[in-house]
Amino acid sequence: GAVVSQHPSRVICKSGTSVKIECRSLDFQATTMFWYRQFPKQSLMLMATSNEGSKATYEQGVEKDKFLINHASLTLSTLTVTSAHPEDSSFYICSAENQAEKLFFGSGTQLSVL
Amino acid sequence: AQKITQTQPGMFVQEKEAVTLDCTYDTSDQSYGLFWYKQPSSGEMIFLIYQGSYDEQNATEGRYSLNFQKARKSANLVISASQLGDSAMYFCAMREPGGNKLTFGTGTQLKVEL
Repeated sequence: GAVVSQHPSRVICKSGTSVKIECRSLDFQATTMFWYRQFPKQSLMLMATSNEGSKATYEQGVEKDKFLINHASLTLSTLTVTSAHPEDSSFYICSAENQAEKLFFGSGTQLSVL
Repeated sequence: AQKITQTQPGMFVQEKEAVTLDCTYDTSDQSYGLFWYKQPSSGEMIFLIYQGSYDEQNATEGRYSLNFQKARKSANLVISASQLGDSAMYFCAMREPGGNKLTFGTGTQLKVEL
C-alpha cells in the first residue's frame, strides 16, 4: 500500500532554533499534502494545505511566517518551525493525497522545545 | 462550517465483545465523506473505514462497520469481536466537498480488557 514517510519521528531542540520536518510520499506523487498539529490527548487540527509548486494555504490563526511550508516536488513537503518556543511543542503529522484522492498519513513528529 | 462531535472521551470493552463509538456531525453540505481513524500510542493515523454521504449501504471493513444514520447526522463505528490490539484512540473525521481537508472530532480512547 501507499506509504508516507515522515522524518524525524522525534526532535528536541533549544528555544529560538528552527526545526525542519519532512513528509515524503514513497510510492506515489502527491500534489497536495496537509499538515496537522495535535496537542496531548487532543484532536488533530489542520494547520495548512501544501500544494506542489505553489504557496501553502494556511488555516485561520496559523502564522505562516512561523510555520514555513515548502512543497518543491511531487513527493516532498517540508514544515519548518522557525524560532521555536516551548509553546510550539506538539505532535505534527502530515498526510498526502494520491491521484485517486485517497489520503495517507505519515507517522508523525513529536517536537519538544526546551 | 463543519463540526464533528465525539461525546465519549473514554470507553472500556471486554475482549471478544462488540463496542460502538459514537460520532455525530454537522454540515450544510449535501456531499461529504466520513472517516474513522485509529491512533495507537505510537501516533500514526490508521485509516479504518469510509462512508460517503450518498452511499446507501453502511460501510464495512472486516471487523469494522459504520452505522450511518443520515437523518440523525450520526456515523457510529462498531468494532466487533474486540481484541487487545484495538486499544487506541479513535477519531471520527469529515471531509468537506471539493478537497481532502479533514475536520476531526476530539476522539475516544478505547481500552480493551481481558
